Amino acid sequence: GQNIDQPTEMTATEGAIVQINCTYQTSGFNGLFWYQQHAGEAPTFLSYNVLDGLEEKGRFSSFLSRSKGYSYLLLKELQMKDSASYLCAPMDSNYQLIWGAGTKLIIKP
Amino acid sequence: EADIYQTPRYLVIGTGKKITLECSQTMGHDKMYWYQQDPGMELHLIHYSYGVNSTEKGDLSSESTVSRIRTEHFPLTLESARPSHTSQYLCASAAGEESQPQHFGDGTRLSIL
Repeated sequence: GQNIDQPTEMTATEGAIVQINCTYQTSGFNGLFWYQQHAGEAPTFLSYNVLDGLEEKGRFSSFLSRSKGYSYLLLKELQMKDSASYLCAPMDSNYQLIWGAGTKLIIKP
Repeated sequence: EADIYQTPRYLVIGTGKKITLECSQTMGHDKMYWYQQDPGMELHLIHYSYGVNSTEKGDLSSESTVSRIRTEHFPLTLESARPSHTSQYLCASAAGEESQPQHFGDGTRLSIL
């Protein structure tokens, strides 16, 4: 079967750094997306990785290891507005995104 | 910024009614999707389309239908609403290349009494 494993919830302090891990098992692999979703709102795109390595985009970076079925999202200089759920979504051999429940990130002052 | 619009934003309606949720996008995207999501839970794919006159079922499709007569329009119809349909419905679109992300509308929050 296909599945995604992310921590259900994480807490971090404003100004700090947090790493959200994601392990996945899919039938085939065609890249992995990270989305941010604030409570009651729609997901918004953060990053896409298809090759191994680190992709940096401002305060957010995303890492992929295809051989390990592993990705992480790194958030630096945390702000209160970063409180949201973060969804790891790999794309399978049929180019369909596999969605998990995501990680709820709570930022404290 | 993708422009994708869903109407209505909120709908409260009685059991047994026929409901159509509207979704339109102005980006010319070939791919469109309908998802259902309950609070704190994962997105479930209901239907998707890769172009005009092309529709496919997702894993939650049995009680709904879609049509894709025009590129920009992808309505979802529930033939007979039930309380179990109470949820948030999200429409998304994406350009043709596989690396392109899905862009989501603001959603329709549906309550069936």
